[in-house]
Amino acid sequence: GAVVSQHPSWVICKSGTSVKIECRSLDFQATTMFWYRQFPKQSLMLMATSNEGSKATYEQGVEKDKFLINHASLTLSTLTVTSAHPEDSSFYICSARSASGGNYEQYFGPGTRLTVT
Amino acid sequence: AQSVTQLDSQVPVFEEAPVELRCNYSSSVSVYLFWYVQYPNQGLQLLLKYLSGSTLVKGINGFEAEFNKSQTSFHLRKPSVHISDTAEYFCAVSFYNQGGKLIFGQGTELSVKP
Repeated sequence: GAVVSQHPSWVICKSGTSVKIECRSLDFQATTMFWYRQFPKQSLMLMATSNEGSKATYEQGVEKDKFLINHASLTLSTLTVTSAHPEDSSFYICSARSASGGNYEQYFGPGTRLTVT
Repeated sequence: AQSVTQLDSQVPVFEEAPVELRCNYSSSVSVYLFWYVQYPNQGLQLLLKYLSGSTLVKGINGFEAEFNKSQTSFHLRKPSVHISDTAEYFCAVSFYNQGGKLIFGQGTELSVKP
């Protein structure tokens, strides 16, 4: 149980285009989903917290107009990288927290490798 | 300030030797503590977690960790490592008043040599 999927697993796009990444909780309902980015040989940096039915909360320094997050249902959150540039190339990982009360564990997706050329 | 520090960026060790990966945190509120493992180009897998109760926590793959409140530490240990344990290990902390956000340490690259 507690499986989180991401789609696509990797994507290559041209500079200036937009890319959408999906994060789904497959066997549980997630009231909260988190988006992280990870540069090579570095740790995960939280980008934003997404709550179902409300606007995402972005961490300091993350451009909310560039990284659009939508959490339209209890099983799906999307991250859209708008007008992507090579510096946006990174590994993007989502996680989901169960709607069950008292569960503090986050379940992580397998990640999406974005390369902007 | 709330922070997480992994003291060793790289830990080389021989197969079947014991290993300890260190993690310290700074917080003025209660914390929940986690260790994750990441294999190349993959997501994170939970090794173990401390939420409350016994301070010695046992996880998967023979790993264990001990929560030491006075030293604000949560070091990960394994008595005998295998080649397959070679991976990146992350300590993460969720602070009680932060809405469940996880703050990650810098990571420790464990390299097990034959």
